[in-house]
Amino acid sequence: DTEVTQTPKHLVMGMTNKKSLKCEQHMGHRAMYWYKQKAKKPPELMFVYSYEKLSINESVPSRFSPECPNSSLLNLHLHALQPEDSALYLCASSPPGGTYGYTFGSGTRLTVV
Amino acid sequence: DAKTTQPNSMESNEEEPVHLPCNHSTISGTDYIHWYRQLPSQGPEYVIHGLTSNVNNRMASLAIAEDRKSSTLILHRATLRDAAVYYCILRDLGNQFYFGTGTSLTVIP
Repeated sequence: DTEVTQTPKHLVMGMTNKKSLKCEQHMGHRAMYWYKQKAKKPPELMFVYSYEKLSINESVPSRFSPECPNSSLLNLHLHALQPEDSALYLCASSPPGGTYGYTFGSGTRLTVV
Repeated sequence: DAKTTQPNSMESNEEEPVHLPCNHSTISGTDYIHWYRQLPSQGPEYVIHGLTSNVNNRMASLAIAEDRKSSTLILHRATLRDAAVYYCILRDLGNQFYFGTGTSLTVIP
């Protein structure tokens, strides 16, 4: 299995809702990442997990809450989002360290209404 | 984190070679040069990466300048399926991976 699977592919949520995005990989990668991508912009790093521990938080608002329950799963919990949080949310994984490439999922298209 | 500079857009005729340049003048000795591409409504896709020597794979070739301050991604025969945004990224020994603005490649039939 050489894929990163993200669910759901599309999500519409109200500003008072709580929802979660899910990411799964079975390549044995011990580093996992969340990125946010607005239209016609490059992906922006949000969070990095290394060996199931949060190692980087790029000053992301607390309405985004990441969780890494095991080495194969990465969740992003969403609460009280704003319309400007609408974007494509990408998950990626890699072996730790600079010598390896990343594998990205196809993303979750989030719309906040 | 070291930064990269790429042209915003480029065009190529179908079945001709494409050379996509990237400048990374602040690269450090341990930074790997990665290239990814992103098709519309998809996640970025790994293309190739290298450290010092030129690299080839089934998708492309990566030519790295001797001083490592620039690199060029070479697509040997562009097809319509190669139309995408191409990102040149420097990755250090840590787990931080920052995208630059990328080059939007248009392939003309």
